Amino acid sequence: GENVEQHPSTLSVQEGDSAVIKCTYSDSASNYFPWYKQELGKRPQLIIDIRSNVGEKKDQRIAVTLNKTAKHFSLHITETQPEDSAVYFCAASEAGGGADGLTFGKGTHLIIQP
Amino acid sequence: GAVVSQHPSRVICKSGTSVKIECRSLDFQATTMFWYRQFPKQSLMLMATSNEGSKATYEQGVEKDKFLINHASLTLSTLTVTSAHPEDSSFYICSVSSFGGTQYFGPGTRLTVL
Repeated sequence: GENVEQHPSTLSVQEGDSAVIKCTYSDSASNYFPWYKQELGKRPQLIIDIRSNVGEKKDQRIAVTLNKTAKHFSLHITETQPEDSAVYFCAASEAGGGADGLTFGKGTHLIIQP
Repeated sequence: GAVVSQHPSRVICKSGTSVKIECRSLDFQATTMFWYRQFPKQSLMLMATSNEGSKATYEQGVEKDKFLINHASLTLSTLTVTSAHPEDSSFYICSVSSFGGTQYFGPGTRLTVL
């Protein structure tokens, strides 16, 4: 089955700086890669996703890049703000038809230092 | 995205009893729902895929006789934890999959088994 590795486990950055979280996956059949933000005790919230036919996607301060050959994808957050502090999870699945569950990375605790 | 609710949000039960958790898709007819479990400070682990009108598909290592899943309609899936034990204490989260694989999560149910 799929295996998703995520690094780092904890990331502390100064407010206003950029944060980068990296993930690798093992199953070449995976073609859908979402990123979720989870605050303590709450549900994961989708912040951005990318499909295998695209190399990069951007939404305001958030961007995701995908390298299918190397089987890795990254989350980039620019101009970080205190409200960006949370746990971020990457995930992967074969998303054709929406019938596949997600395999998650172990998460990154992002801390924004004021 | 899809709006997903769960009930109850918290439940405390005695060891050996059974607990039912409901997951509802409020604005989307979901032929597929997913159940995940999240232990404290850990990632989400897929337990099973719930298919409307048919048997659920369980991930390796998840006991189907212990975690009973029923998906009787396009808007409701239930997870029953039978003969619960303290090691079953966890955060149980369902998700609804829209076309193309995007998953939207419910608010989760915190189960504590005494």
